[in-house]
Amino acid sequence: DAGVIQSPRHEVTEMGQEVTLRCKPISGHNSLFWYRQTMMRGLELLIYFNNNVPIDDSGMPEDRFSAKMPNASFSTLKIQPSEPRDSAVYFCASSGGGVGQPQHFGDGTRLSIL
Amino acid sequence: AQTVTQSQPEMSVQEAETVTLSCTYDTSESDYYLFWYKQPPSRQMILVIRQEAYKQQNATENRFSVNFQKAAKSFSLKISDSQLGDAAMYFCALYNFNKFYFGSGTKLNVKP
Repeated sequence: DAGVIQSPRHEVTEMGQEVTLRCKPISGHNSLFWYRQTMMRGLELLIYFNNNVPIDDSGMPEDRFSAKMPNASFSTLKIQPSEPRDSAVYFCASSGGGVGQPQHFGDGTRLSIL
Repeated sequence: AQTVTQSQPEMSVQEAETVTLSCTYDTSESDYYLFWYKQPPSRQMILVIRQEAYKQQNATENRFSVNFQKAAKSFSLKISDSQLGDAAMYFCALYNFNKFYFGSGTKLNVKP
């Protein structure tokens, strides 16, 4: 089975540009999570969806960040406008099959904002 | 509040030796799950082991085992016969209410 697929793997863009990160969860998984990882703050949960519905977005840093999940097989995380402090590795993870099942992570997107 | 603490930022072990990584957590719930994830330099997050809080038996996966002390809220990971490929960041995680809470990680170095 294919794992969680994220694209792009690397993104370098200039400050002020819009950035869109994409994620395809594992088929059949009903929960999807977006994380940000930095050296300073570690792994931070930004938002998670259950059955395509955003459940908790309290980790989204500010209004420049938005996330959508239009269907069970696709999600996006958008930053507009981007800033240098947004530079990080962004992970998408999915889980399913009931309570307490592990998350399966994608390979992450390394985002660099110049 | 749910918190996970990994008090060892970095550890080293000699190849073929055994090492134990510490993790403590805090939750007011009685039913939860605990995980260890490994993140090698390739940055993938790989599930190492899973423990159900209502099970007293410690989980094991080949060379990896845990020491789960529910009363003490402790969940340490033991790696036996350490291999060079075990070098990575290790994250402890608590699952509760469909959310995962991660510790800050422990960097494990394996010396040949």
